[in-house]
Amino acid sequence: AQKITQTQPGMFVQEKEAVTLDCTYDTSDQSYGLFWYKQPSSGEMIFLIYQGSYDEQNATEGRYSLNFQKARKSANLVISASQLGDSAMYFCAMRDLQAGSARQLTFGSGTQLTVLP
Amino acid sequence: DVKVTQSSRYLVKRTGEKVFLECVQDMDHENMFWYRQDPGLGLRLIYFSYDVKMKEKGDIPEGYSVSREKKERFSLILESASTNQTSMYLCASSSGGQGIEAFFGQGTRLTVV
Repeated sequence: AQKITQTQPGMFVQEKEAVTLDCTYDTSDQSYGLFWYKQPSSGEMIFLIYQGSYDEQNATEGRYSLNFQKARKSANLVISASQLGDSAMYFCAMRDLQAGSARQLTFGSGTQLTVLP
Repeated sequence: DVKVTQSSRYLVKRTGEKVFLECVQDMDHENMFWYRQDPGLGLRLIYFSYDVKMKEKGDIPEGYSVSREKKERFSLILESASTNQTSMYLCASSSGGQGIEAFFGQGTRLTVV
């Protein structure tokens, strides 16, 4: 079974500073994918970034980067140069990628990020 | 753009009512999912489907059923709504390939009174 742990229920960051949102996972699968989603107060889930377990480079997408440490089973999200619009709930999720596996995402409990002006 | 549309943003139903939540996607995705979101618990999977007429239980299927008669539509049914089913319900779809993210609907906030 897969498990995602996000230990920070809430985080605050000053505008223009960087912030790291923690995510650890537990799985016995050899091939898996890790995802981060953003959920603003409006409720929609916005995909941010993806990292495959066999990817050697950390994923980056604009101001988002994923600090992937496979041995420690962590996949932290780093947001650089925070903006007021980054205030939202952030979810870490994972999915088994092996052929024939279940296709669903397993989510963590989320981190509420507030960017202060 | 991929679009996943849920039939209602807000619903208020009475205890014991049969409730239908509808979800439609327009990208020919094989996989569709229903999640429930509660504060402090994240998203928990209720049911998913990887093909028409196929369904599999997720982590919390009790009190729910689903229907997938057409590839683009996945319905969540609360057979007899109870107050502990008051929650945000999110529908998602994805293709069968590796590394492809799931796309979500806007969510339905259901209140059972």
